[in-house]
Amino acid sequence: QKEVEQDPGPLSVPEGAIVSLNCTYSNSAFQYFMWYRQYSRKGPELLMYTYSSGNKEDGRFTAQVDKSSKYISLFIRDSQPSDSATYLCAMIAQAGTALIFGKGTTLSVSS
Amino acid sequence: SQTIHQWPATLVQPVGSPLSLECTVEGTSNPNLYWYRQAAGRGLQLLFYSVGIGQISSEVPQNLSASRPQDRQFILSSKKLLLSDSGFYLCAWSVGVAKNIQYFGAGTRLSVL
Repeated sequence: QKEVEQDPGPLSVPEGAIVSLNCTYSNSAFQYFMWYRQYSRKGPELLMYTYSSGNKEDGRFTAQVDKSSKYISLFIRDSQPSDSATYLCAMIAQAGTALIFGKGTTLSVSS
Repeated sequence: SQTIHQWPATLVQPVGSPLSLECTVEGTSNPNLYWYRQAAGRGLQLLFYSVGIGQISSEVPQNLSASRPQDRQFILSSKKLLLSDSGFYLCAWSVGVAKNIQYFGAGTRLSVL
């Protein structure tokens, strides 16, 4: 079983839709969870960072962590064409250890 | 504010040639530095990380090496490139109490032909 599983998509939605991106993980030692957005041929950009179970909101983005189920989600409200990118989940047990990435979900938002 | 620079952005090299990719971080001191490779459909793979000058840890045995000659400089090298070294190379940094949060550079796209 891979440490982090992420559906690669592609996921296509119309502008204004609510998008749900998900990752599951197997290592219960993971404590810190991140979502990165990567545009084509660019480096990943940090979107959200969470530590505890529950929800964290930042504008149109909400990150959700359920440690009991080993499941994390990123919700995008009122999706825009500029949200079209690959979204990577990442998690780490503690500083100094490897940041483990999912393979990314490619999202396309059409106008 | 902190910024990270990577160069070159794109590189095409013949098999068997040497490689040197450079990464520098500005606006911070004593960062943790990382080299990743991103191959199509395979996600990000950590290659090397460094917690200080001259301190390099390798995650994956391979044809590459890394060096940290200065606090904010991280270099990825190879003496002889292989076709399998092609990919998107990313440098990242983290610092301070949130050393688990990593920030990435723009990347170098390497094609070995």
